Amino acid sequence: DVKVTQSSRYLVKRTGEKVFLECVQDMDHENMFWYRQDPGLGLRLIYFSYDVKMKEKGDIPEGYSVSREKKERFSLILESASTNQTSMYLCASRGAARSTDTQYFGPGTRLTVL
Amino acid sequence: DAKTTQPPSMDCAEGRAANLPCNHSTISGNEYVYWYRQIHSQGPQYIIHGLKNNETNEMASLIITEDRKSSTLILPHATLRDTAVYYCIVTGQGAQKLVFGQGTRLTINP
Repeated sequence: DVKVTQSSRYLVKRTGEKVFLECVQDMDHENMFWYRQDPGLGLRLIYFSYDVKMKEKGDIPEGYSVSREKKERFSLILESASTNQTSMYLCASRGAARSTDTQYFGPGTRLTVL
Repeated sequence: DAKTTQPPSMDCAEGRAANLPCNHSTISGNEYVYWYRQIHSQGPQYIIHGLKNNETNEMASLIITEDRKSSTLILPHATLRDTAVYYCIVTGQGAQKLVFGQGTRLTINP
């Protein structure tokens, strides 16, 4: 059974704090993704990684950075959290592109920045 | 932008089959139809996907019309735990991201 886990389900941080969100997958997938989900805006891609130490910007990378030091782990970093980064953060992983390349999602982290 | 159109909400009685429609009239030949669902405050859950042929797994069946311009997700015996937002997504092989539209909010009633 596929498994994507995220370090926290709920997180409360203060403005200006550095925030780390971690995602781990056990499927040996090459590709990993970070999305945020907000009411009325759907899921928006922040960053993705197609290999260890490789990263690509998504649609809304501003204010975020990522780290992929090991294949199974993809971290999202908020360098200086702001209230507009209050959101649900979703991690996903996918194998190398083949005829079927389903993305599997983690349970999500609901981040509140005060 | 999402390439699919779904009704915003549907209701279904527990134990009955839930049939969720999706229009994707601009789908291209190498694009797949994926279905996910999202139960409140959880991450999206993969259900099923297909290219041309109908597909069935332990969760659902996917019926794709011959012209591929629409599809129907069928939950054969809906339970209360199937209450969720269901998303129909059209995506190409190796796509960098999934584009989720507004989905259909399915409510299963006892």
